[in-house]
Amino acid sequence: EVQLVESGGGLVQPGRSLKLSCAASGFTFSNYYMAWVRQAPKKGLEWVATISTSGSRTYYPDSVKGRFTISRDNAKSSLYLQMNSLKSEDTATYYCARRGVMGITPWYFDYWGQGVMVTVSS
Amino acid sequence: DVQMTQSPYNLAASPGESVSINCKASKSISKYLAWYQQKPGKANKLLIYDGSTLQSGIPSRFSGSGSGTDFTLTIRSLEPEDFGLYYCQQHNEYPFTFGSGTKLEIK
Repeated sequence: EVQLVESGGGLVQPGRSLKLSCAASGFTFSNYYMAWVRQAPKKGLEWVATISTSGSRTYYPDSVKGRFTISRDNAKSSLYLQMNSLKSEDTATYYCARRGVMGITPWYFDYWGQGVMVTVSS
Repeated sequence: DVQMTQSPYNLAASPGESVSINCKASKSISKYLAWYQQKPGKANKLLIYDGSTLQSGIPSRFSGSGSGTDFTLTIRSLEPEDFGLYYCQQHNEYPFTFGSGTKLEIK
């Protein structure tokens, strides 16, 4: 059974940093692109970052580019999100997700964690 | 960025009924649309990708259709466990964007 378990969330002041982790199990982690998706309170979903199988390629939307860094440790089956210069608008539940593999453009997410809350406030 | 507009915002139906949820892209995304179900306390679930391909393990009462800019998720013979939030997402081009969601409630 695929399991994705996020950790590392909490309350952080604006301008500070926070690092999220995601522990993966139930599949061969190193074979899959992985991603982070967030959801602000009472809002919709927003894709935040994706990383290739080896970690050599990363992808971000403009809203977080330059502030967030996605990384992975295949030996530990773990995914990370380093968030710097945090803003109040980064307040959200952050989900770890596995990117799909089927199709020509598999930039969808076939398994998700239950999420971890990050609150950016003074 | 491709804007995804879902309708309706809210939908109320009874078990056994059929419902449709619409998703419109601001530009053509070919067939590359995914649908997800979100329920409190549970992990988000991928239902459909590539517009109409049913994800493994998803009941056949779920179906997707459309291409270009207009897409529809149809749920036939609603079961009690189908109530929740539904999101569409385009997976055609960067950045990969989601719709604002449709809440399916029990009538």
